Order: sequence, then structure tokens, then C-alpha cells
Amino acid sequence: SQTIHQWPATLVQPVGSPLSLECTVEGTSNPNLYWYRQAAGRGLQLLFYSVGIGQISSEVPQNLSASRPQDRQFILSSKKLLLSDSGFYLCAWSARGLSEKLFFGSGTQLSVL
Amino acid sequence: GQQLNQSPQSMFIQEGEDVSMNCTSSSIFNTWLWYKQDPGEGPVLLIALYKAGELTSNGRLTAQFGITRKDSFLNISASIPSDVGIYFCAGRSNGGGSNYKLTFGKGTLLTVNP
Repeated sequence: SQTIHQWPATLVQPVGSPLSLECTVEGTSNPNLYWYRQAAGRGLQLLFYSVGIGQISSEVPQNLSASRPQDRQFILSSKKLLLSDSGFYLCAWSARGLSEKLFFGSGTQLSVL
Repeated sequence: GQQLNQSPQSMFIQEGEDVSMNCTSSSIFNTWLWYKQDPGEGPVLLIALYKAGELTSNGRLTAQFGITRKDSFLNISASIPSDVGIYFCAGRSNGGGSNYKLTFGKGTLLTVNP
């Protein structure tokens, strides 16, 4: 069976510090991978998606970047965090041809102070 | 970009009551989905709808794909305390990069009083 791992679960970082959130998927190959952010207002905002190694599509201009160094690994990064980067970050995957069926990780609660 | 209007924003109901929530869009979607998010977790897919007019059930949950392709409804019958959470509608339109992306509503926060 497929599983998605996302860590850490909680992170408190000072403004200006770097960020690295990691997500890995097991039990499948060639998945579509996604990073979402959920602000306090509950909406889910798509940040990045990837259909293959090294292929990253950015949905909104921001202080964050994403990379996919391996088929089942997706990393969200920032060189210098801003207060506005605080939020709940969710990684997700979908199978090729079934992109509507997203499987989400358990999320990372990021607080930038 | 595409937007989904989901209502109500929140609901407070008694255990055993039925629940209805809906999503509307100004543009057409080819796929409608409903997800549920438990507190502190990622959303989980409840129901996927692929054809206009389609009515699909998953246990006590029933969802419908609107005829106009611009709306969808989710009903929960005989609510129980574990139904608590945020319910999201999502839509996908076909073509180009949109094949990989879902548009989410802002969610309906459901509270069930025992």
C-alpha cells in the first residue's frame, strides 16, 4: 500500500532563518507531487506541483521554492523565512491519470516568530 | 483564476441531525470532489464525481454533481460526533496544466454536539 511521510510535524523558526520541509511517498512510482499551504482561514492554497524529477510548477509568487531530487521525494525550502510564511503545510501525491484523487500527508505546522 | 464558493462556512448541529453543504462556481468543472479534514491532519477524499447529474453515496454521505457542472452538494445523514471536521469541495477542469490541479473551496467547519 502507498504511504506518504511528511516531517517535521511542528516547527518554530525565527524570521530570516532557512526552511526545509521534506515529503516522501512509498509504494508507488512516478507520482504527481504537491505542496499546499493552509492558512488560518482554512482555505487550501496550491504552492507547487511536480509531474516528474526536476519538474516544478509554481502557482504563486512567494518566498518559497520546491525541489524534486528523486521520484518520490519533494522538498519545500526557503532561504529566509518571513512572518507571513507561517501556516500549515501539506504535502500530497496523486497517481498519474488520477490527479483528482489527492492523498495528503499529516502536515507541518510552521510558526515563524 | 477559478474560485469555488462553499457554504455554509460553519455549522453547529446536534447528533442525529442531517447536514447539507454546497459549492458553486462561475465556471464549469469536469470533476467534483469532497474531502474531509480532521483536526491537525491532512484532508481525506470522501467522494469523487465525474458526470453531470451523478449522485454517489459513501455510507451516510451522499454527493451530487450539478447538472450545470457549476455546483455540487454534500449531504450527511444521521450525524455522529466523529463527523466533526472541515469539509472541502474541490473541482477540476480538463485541459493543459489544469489536469493536475484542483481548485478547493474554503471549507465548511462542522461541529456535532453529542
